[in-house]
Amino acid sequence: GAGVSQSPSNKVTEKGKDVELRCDPISGHTALYWYRQSLGQGLEFLIYFQGNSAPDKSGLPSDRFSAERTGGSVSTLTIQRTQQEDSAVYLCASSLRGGGVREPQYFGPGTRLLVL
Amino acid sequence: GENVEQHPSTLSVQEGDSAVIKCTYSDSASNYFPWYKQELGKRPQLIIDIRSNVGEKKDQRIAVTLNKTAKHFSLHITETQPEDSAVYFCAASISGGYQKVTFGIGTKLQVIP
Repeated sequence: GAGVSQSPSNKVTEKGKDVELRCDPISGHTALYWYRQSLGQGLEFLIYFQGNSAPDKSGLPSDRFSAERTGGSVSTLTIQRTQQEDSAVYLCASSLRGGGVREPQYFGPGTRLLVL
Repeated sequence: GENVEQHPSTLSVQEGDSAVIKCTYSDSASNYFPWYKQELGKRPQLIIDIRSNVGEKKDQRIAVTLNKTAKHFSLHITETQPEDSAVYFCAASISGGYQKVTFGIGTKLQVIP
């Protein structure tokens, strides 16, 4: 079946502009994560959505970052007034939550963001 | 919250040798421990996982062991091959729970032909 998809695959923007990154999780997956990965670095957790519960926003680095998940499916990560240090690969992942169910995360291909 | 520590951060082995990556976790409630492999320029992909009701799991050349008492788990790769070169991430979570998955910092494995 279809995996996690993200768009755009690459985004080049100018400092100070706003950007929106989109994630389409696997159908039926109730959990959705956003991570940021700078070149050669690990996975920096940003935000986590689980069903209809309030999202865990504890990883968002500043108030310029926000995310929504509409209808429990598609998610959009918005970065306002982008800075050069926002340049990274933004990865989305989804998983099927439920007691006793194998719950690996399935990652999307990522969006490579470059802020000039 | 959960804290996962992973070491070493880099590991070089000769082709054919074994590689071991170790992780510790802090939350005794964690009961699901996946490992992900990320090849250069690609997305992380699950390679093996283990639940807290078992102590060891094998899949061909890779195995994972779990010590609940000590709160640590390890990835073992035997007969390493150049295509095993990648960054490996461990993670811990509570199956079915609301808490997010917590990742280790990653181990860059280089297999030298």
